[in-house]
Amino acid sequence: SAVISQKPSRDICQRGTSLTIQCQVDSQVTMMFWYRQQPGQSLTLIATANQGSEATYESGFVIDKFPISRPNLTFSTLTVSNMSPEDSSIYLCSVEGRNYGYTFGSGTRLTVV
Amino acid sequence: AQTVTQSQPEMSVQEAETVTLSCTYDTSESDYYLFWYKQPPSRQMILVIRQEAYKQQNATENRFSVNFQKAAKSFSLKISDSQLGDAAMYFCAYRSRAGKSTFGDGTTLTVKP
Repeated sequence: SAVISQKPSRDICQRGTSLTIQCQVDSQVTMMFWYRQQPGQSLTLIATANQGSEATYESGFVIDKFPISRPNLTFSTLTVSNMSPEDSSIYLCSVEGRNYGYTFGSGTRLTVV
Repeated sequence: AQTVTQSQPEMSVQEAETVTLSCTYDTSESDYYLFWYKQPPSRQMILVIRQEAYKQQNATENRFSVNFQKAAKSFSLKISDSQLGDAAMYFCAYRSRAGKSTFGDGTTLTVKP
């Protein structure tokens, strides 16, 4: 299965600023997924990132707030823009393997103060 | 839209004993995939086991097995000979044929020594 390197692992940010989260995969993948997870809670899909096209956002998430970059088949970034304390969460990237199961990055724990 | 329900927010088991985590889902599809993921505290989420809906045989991975009841839309996870390292949050997930995954709210498993 793929190996994903996700950075940063955690950050504390001031409200109104932006944070860019990076995910690097050790193999080429068509789709990458970005999730948000409140500690101890379920995962909510933010968007699906395909290489060479605009990301597809889920209801409640917009590109201006969560712009996504997918410059090639092994890399993607998610930016959390104009942050507020409500954006404090864990952000996860994932890719789908041949057996359709997900491999996840190690997560980015974001605290907005 | 598919929904995944985990009715047990918390479960506990004595070390070396067996525990079963419940999961039900709602779908109108006949072809899909089901998964159990494990998320240890502050650690990466990993795939535990997968089940293809068209297979009647229940999947098994070492101490982990599932009871897949397609007609009842039930997909429980059985952990045998529980170990301290099994303590984690467990998520049941449904993947539709179209590729979209839905996660349950998770069950926190405590293993008592």
